[in-house]
Amino acid sequence: DQQVKQNSPSLSVQEGRISILNCDYTNSMFDYFLWYKKYPAEGPTFLISISSIKDKNEDGRFTVFLNKSAKHLSLHIVPSQPGDSAVYFCAGSTSGTYKYIFGTGTRLKVLA
Amino acid sequence: DTGVSQDPRHKITKRGQNVTFRCDPISEHNRLYWYRQTLGQGPEFLTYFQNEAQLEKSRLLSDRFSAERPKGSFSTLEIQRTEQGDSAMYLCASSLTTLGGTGELFFGEGSRLTVL
Repeated sequence: DQQVKQNSPSLSVQEGRISILNCDYTNSMFDYFLWYKKYPAEGPTFLISISSIKDKNEDGRFTVFLNKSAKHLSLHIVPSQPGDSAVYFCAGSTSGTYKYIFGTGTRLKVLA
Repeated sequence: DTGVSQDPRHKITKRGQNVTFRCDPISEHNRLYWYRQTLGQGPEFLTYFQNEAQLEKSRLLSDRFSAERPKGSFSTLEIQRTEQGDSAMYLCASSLTTLGGTGELFFGEGSRLTVL
């Protein structure tokens, strides 16, 4: 039962352009979401979060959008930089449990 | 370095042997998590603790797996009678869900297990 899905295993974007990474979830109880970035041979690092009481959260070049009715969220990176090349994971949890279920990840490659 | 640390970083063992991984979380964090990641997959939830109490254990975890967090500080994950299918990266994470913490996970660099 894949509660969090990232249907695009990979994405290539030109440097300076926008990267859009998508994530869908099936568990309607999820109300808090996280995005992580992972480089090879390192643990995932936290990027940005969003609560279901919001539909947008912004931090520098990173913006996460949440569409609760569609059970969909997306991460926008503007402008994309070569150092953003990594695997990105989204994760969801139910309020109070702090038990995070991760998607399978999207590998982003930013081309110089 | 005051982040999450895991030891060993890499373990190669023969099928049937027991292995133990250790995780030292960020000191003030009350939650500690174990995840497993295989190639091309996201981190799969295994178990988590609040202080010393184990809150939940995934059905992915067979009876060969056991995790402890004595005194609510470091944690160990033991795998008995390892099988080749246990080969994976074992990730530990910690978080603070009290005192204004927002619950984001801070991951260690992982312990890679190879079972021959």
